[in-house]
Amino acid sequence: EAGVVQSPRYKIIEKKQPVAFWCNPISGHNTLYWYRQNLGQGPELLIRYENEEAVDDSQLPKDRFSAERLKGVDSTLKIQPAELGDSAVYLCASSPYPPGGFDEKLFFGSGTQLSVL
Amino acid sequence: DQQVKQNSPSLSVQEGRISILNCDYTNSMFDYFLWYKKYPAEGPTFLISISSIKDKNEDGRFTVFLNKSAKHLSLHIVPSQPGDSAVYFCAASVKRSARQLTFGSGTQLTVLP
Repeated sequence: EAGVVQSPRYKIIEKKQPVAFWCNPISGHNTLYWYRQNLGQGPELLIRYENEEAVDDSQLPKDRFSAERLKGVDSTLKIQPAELGDSAVYLCASSPYPPGGFDEKLFFGSGTQLSVL
Repeated sequence: DQQVKQNSPSLSVQEGRISILNCDYTNSMFDYFLWYKKYPAEGPTFLISISSIKDKNEDGRFTVFLNKSAKHLSLHIVPSQPGDSAVYFCAASVKRSARQLTFGSGTQLTVLP
């Protein structure tokens, strides 16, 4: 079974440029997450999707960040314009458990390392 | 305000000995706790979990202990192997759901051969 696939693995851009990350979750996983991990810290949730609906985007900086999950499968996270402080690893995760399921766990992709110069 | 704290950024252990990784939390509403392991250039992978109705959960060489009164949990690895060298993240959530995990900052475990 293929895992969560993310691309690109690395991205280097100059500040004020746009950037986009792509995620393909594990087949059949209805719930998809985007996390950001700053250096030396744990992942922090940005947005959670149940199928194609964004059900928790309270931590997403909406002035510059946007996300979509068309058809409830793969997802794109965009930053426009990027700032120096956006340098981080952006992780996508998916879960097969239905909403409200107990004892669920997340399956993470390898992430995209973003460097903003 | 860090609700989940891993106060030891690093830990070195000899192969075959026990590794003990610690995690403290402040939110008394947390009722579900997970440990994730992360190798360089890979995403975190699930290791073991425990819900607040238990105080211990075991899976092979890995055991997680939960002390609710102290708001403390620990991960024991026995015996430790060089392949266990990785960053270990503690995470916590409410309603026994992983939908809003709060992660600690991680502990780098190095198992020396």
